[in-house]
Amino acid sequence: GQNIDQPTEMTATEGAIVQINCTYQTSGFNGLFWYQQHAGEAPTFLSYNVLDGLEEKGRFSSFLSRSKGYSYLLLKELQMKDSASYLCAVRSPLISGGYNKLIFGAGTRLAVHP
Amino acid sequence: DTAVSQTPKYLVTQMGNDKSIKCEQNLGHDTMYWYKQDSKKFLKIMFSYNNKELIINETVPNRFSPKSPDKAHLNLHINSLELGDSAVYFCASSQDLQGPYEQYFGPGTRLTVT
Repeated sequence: GQNIDQPTEMTATEGAIVQINCTYQTSGFNGLFWYQQHAGEAPTFLSYNVLDGLEEKGRFSSFLSRSKGYSYLLLKELQMKDSASYLCAVRSPLISGGYNKLIFGAGTRLAVHP
Repeated sequence: DTAVSQTPKYLVTQMGNDKSIKCEQNLGHDTMYWYKQDSKKFLKIMFSYNNKELIINETVPNRFSPKSPDKAHLNLHINSLELGDSAVYFCASSQDLQGPYEQYFGPGTRLTVT
């Protein structure tokens, strides 16, 4: 089966650090994406991990442990504009053709307070 | 310069009607997608076309029919609309369906069936 779990909601204070976790159990794994989605808008790409370890990109970092089926997104120096949903998505191979599809978690709604 | 555009942005219609949503991308990508995001914000793949060929066809009622006249366009036609079809429909594109490329999402079409 395919299962991707994230916390439904989180709150944090402006200037703080927050870690959003994602655990997955999928029939195949070819990488993990994080997307940000502001209310009423389209998802936008944040990060991609395929190897174990930490990928840093400015205030955002993403970590992957394939053996544990676990990833997290770390947001530093939180700003009010970071209030959004954060979607974890596993890149899962199709049966043939070398193709892949994204399986999304339900997303974590982050509220940043002053 | 809009990368992925969809029309209409809002669609309100009655049960039993037939409606279409149009999508266009100007990124030169080979692959386009349709996703459905329900009220719980769960984003789920419906269809994917690669170079105008249907590759992904998830368990979607056959009232939904995608059409790709060329690589830059992917339309979604829905027959006999039902209340449960109410959702936000996102079109997306990526460079191709085999590599680990990020997907670019359109602004979404909010469909309300009354």
